[in-house]
Amino acid sequence: AQSVTQPDIHITVSEGASLELRCNYSYGATPYLFWYVQSPGQGLQLLLKYFSGDTLVQGIKGFEAEFKRSQSSFNLRKPSVHWSDAAEYFCAVGAIGNQFYFGTGTSLTVIP
Amino acid sequence: GAVVSQHPSWVICKSGTSVKIECRSLDFQATTMFWYRQFPKQSLMLMATSNEGSKATYEQGVEKDKFLINHASLTLSTLTVTSAHPEDSSFYICSVPGQSSYEQYFGPGTRLTVT
Repeated sequence: AQSVTQPDIHITVSEGASLELRCNYSYGATPYLFWYVQSPGQGLQLLLKYFSGDTLVQGIKGFEAEFKRSQSSFNLRKPSVHWSDAAEYFCAVGAIGNQFYFGTGTSLTVIP
Repeated sequence: GAVVSQHPSWVICKSGTSVKIECRSLDFQATTMFWYRQFPKQSLMLMATSNEGSKATYEQGVEKDKFLINHASLTLSTLTVTSAHPEDSSFYICSVPGQSSYEQYFGPGTRLTVT
């Protein structure tokens, strides 16, 4: 069965520090992977996506993610976090038929 | 990517009344749209798939008589919460499939509060 796990419910980092948000997936075929960010009361904004090719994917706002098939992971990273990055982050797997499976989300707090 | 709008962005209604939420695909036609529900501090859960010209497909556990979906045109899907109760208070988000069959574009969401 398809599933997405985000092990960290909440992460706190200092502004300027590096960030890594973890995502593990379970999917029977080649996964199509996404990271979204959601600010309070807002919809989802796509940060980046992986369909195929280079396993290191660059996204918007300085984010990147690395697909590791052997570990079934698609972790999101940012070298230097800004206060405006505080939000909820969702990892998702896209399956055939436009089915989407979301992780439970990781809430990011950035302290000055 | 597609531009998706929702209306209203925020609505408060009294228990027992019905509320209609609109989802529009602004820049291309969509034969399929998706409706999600998100409770506070939780992830998005797919409620139903809206199909233009045919009945919606509901996920297990979602009451089709309570959450009425109408895909009126290739650019508009509506979700009507009938006889709303406080437990229906949630954030409702729609999405439109992208050109890739594995991609979706999300609307900004509608916050429903039932008093």
